[in-house]
Order: sequence, then structure tokens, then C-alpha cells
Amino acid sequence: GESVGLHLPTLSVQEGDNSIINCAYSNSASDYFIWYKQESGKGPQFIIDIRSNMDKRQGQRVTVLLNKTVKHLSLQIAATQPGDSAVYFCAETDQTGANNLFFGTGTRLTVIP
Amino acid sequence: ETGVTQSPTHLIKTRGQQVTLRCSSQSGHNTVSWYQQALGQGPQFIFQYYREEENGRGNFPPRFSGLQFPNYSSELNVNALELDDSALYLCASSWDRKGTGELFFGEGSRLTVL
Repeated sequence: GESVGLHLPTLSVQEGDNSIINCAYSNSASDYFIWYKQESGKGPQFIIDIRSNMDKRQGQRVTVLLNKTVKHLSLQIAATQPGDSAVYFCAETDQTGANNLFFGTGTRLTVIP
Repeated sequence: ETGVTQSPTHLIKTRGQQVTLRCSSQSGHNTVSWYQQALGQGPQFIFQYYREEENGRGNFPPRFSGLQFPNYSSELNVNALELDDSALYLCASSWDRKGTGELFFGEGSRLTVL
């Protein structure tokens, strides 16, 4: 079955530094990946997505990298700010028919002022 | 444009009872998905409703059931509550039933089963 896991459960970074959050997935059929941010007491919030025909996608201060060879996904946050402190989840799905997302366990990012 | 709203925000039930959770989807969205998020875990897909019909289900027993109404709002019903049902229940709406559209999550209903 599918499994989406994260290498590190927690990550602490200094304000202004760049953050890298990693995620491994096991389902070779997955072809759409999303990163979500979840702040305490709130629902997950979409950050950025990437389809399997791409290996990099950039947004505002965020970049997602996809390595299909090793089934690895990463989220890079540039110039990390205190407001970035949250739990980050990667999620995957198979566009060919699936209508549900498989979420990883999450990484808690703490930004140190 | 209103976002996804869920009610109630918190509730406490005892084992064996039944619970109904409600969700209003974001304006313009016709698809609602429900997820269960246990403490310290990622959300797990329960089921999805598209145009009032179930459009996929995760690995949850039949005592988890749902409805979608003509205005695309939705309910999640759980019968015969068990202690392990204690979790945050998230509703997410989208315009794309295949899960490739951006999902907009509500803030969830936190259920505690004693």
C-alpha cells in the first residue's frame, strides 16, 4: 500500500535561514504531490503542489523538488520567518482515478527568533 | 467568498453514542472530502462526496457514513463510537473530485470519546 513518511519529525531553524523539509513516498503510481501547512488549532493550508512531469516548482519563498527516481519530495522555505512555524505535511495521490490524498505524519518546524 | 466552515468545533461523547458533524463547503465547490486526524498524525481520508453521492472511501468501517446536500454542504455520521474515534475531523472542499484541485480545509471538529 501507499505510505508517505517524513525523515525528521521536528526541525528548528533560525529566523532568516532557509528550511528544508523532506518527505519519502512509496507508491510509484503517485503522480501528484502537495505540501500543506497546519498551524495549531487550524486545518491544513495548501502551500504548493507539483505533478510528476516536473522536478521543481517555485512559489513565493517556497520551492518543491521532486525526485521520482528515489521517491523523494522536499519543501524549501527561503528566509524562514516566525510565521512559518507550523507542522508541514506532504501528501500524494494518483490522478488516474484516486480522489483521496495520502498524508505523511508531518514535520514540526520551529523558527527561532 | 466564504471558506469551509465546520460545526461543532469541539464535542465530547461517550462510547457507544452517535455523532453528527457538519460542514459547509466553500462557495463554488461541489466536492467535499472528510478526513480523520489523530493527535500527532497526518489526516486520513474517510470518504468523498460529489454531487450528493459517495465518490470514494478510505479504510473506515461502515459505521462512518455521510451525506451531501443539494447546496453541497455535508454531514459525517459516526455510530457506535469507540475510544479510538477521538480525533480532529476535517472537512475539505474542492471543485475537482479527482483530488488534483486545491483542497480547502475547515478548522475541524475535535471529537473526544470517553
